[in-house]
Amino acid sequence: ETGVTQTPRHLVMGMTNKKSLKCEQHLGHNAMYWYKQSAKKPLELMFVYSLEERVENNSVPSRFSPECPNSSHLFLHLHTLQPEDSALYLCASSPVFGGRRTIQETQYFGPGTRLLVL
Amino acid sequence: QKEVEQNSGPLSVPEGAIASLNCTYSDRGSQSFFWYRQYSGKSPELIMFIYSNGDKEDGRFTAQLNKASQYVSLLIRDSQPSDSATYLCAVNFLLVRGTSYGKLTFGQGTILTVHP
Repeated sequence: ETGVTQTPRHLVMGMTNKKSLKCEQHLGHNAMYWYKQSAKKPLELMFVYSLEERVENNSVPSRFSPECPNSSHLFLHLHTLQPEDSALYLCASSPVFGGRRTIQETQYFGPGTRLLVL
Repeated sequence: QKEVEQNSGPLSVPEGAIASLNCTYSDRGSQSFFWYRQYSGKSPELIMFIYSNGDKEDGRFTAQLNKASQYVSLLIRDSQPSDSATYLCAVNFLLVRGTSYGKLTFGQGTILTVHP
């Protein structure tokens, strides 16, 4: 399998459920990202992991909990979500470079998980 | 607050015409610029990136960057109905904390419709 994969592709959950989203990248990248895409809103960055270390948390509520066990896998653990959390959740990956070289980054997205919270 | 602004459209062009999509950004420290295409119900797919002032061409697509005006555009020549999608402009601010990675800020997207 190539590129960035995400499972499940669709998820319906109640507000009291606990579920996890999974992302896997086969591109040899070392940075992974979670984004949220709601209707009529721009893509919102949620979390960034670089070399398995969380380097960004964009003021995301604690009911979203990321986990990055290795550079190829990223999880988003969900608990006690609200209906307004219903959205498309996208995972992306990109290369990471050491040092302070100026580079352009290219992020590649997975197909997303469509989440509906009832 | 870093912002990226796009006209949400919809932009409607006839088949074979040139579609022009525009994007402005607020952070002068932005270093690289991306155009993604997103079909309804799908994830964004990269079309082009640009990081130097001027034009960059790839097939029917041309990206244009003007850092002084904080403006980036995408031209699609010979537009086809299959080009109908939402086009997302993304601006990268490179963060260095030991290692380098990108932090993209996206615009809300421009809906393009190419009609036969």
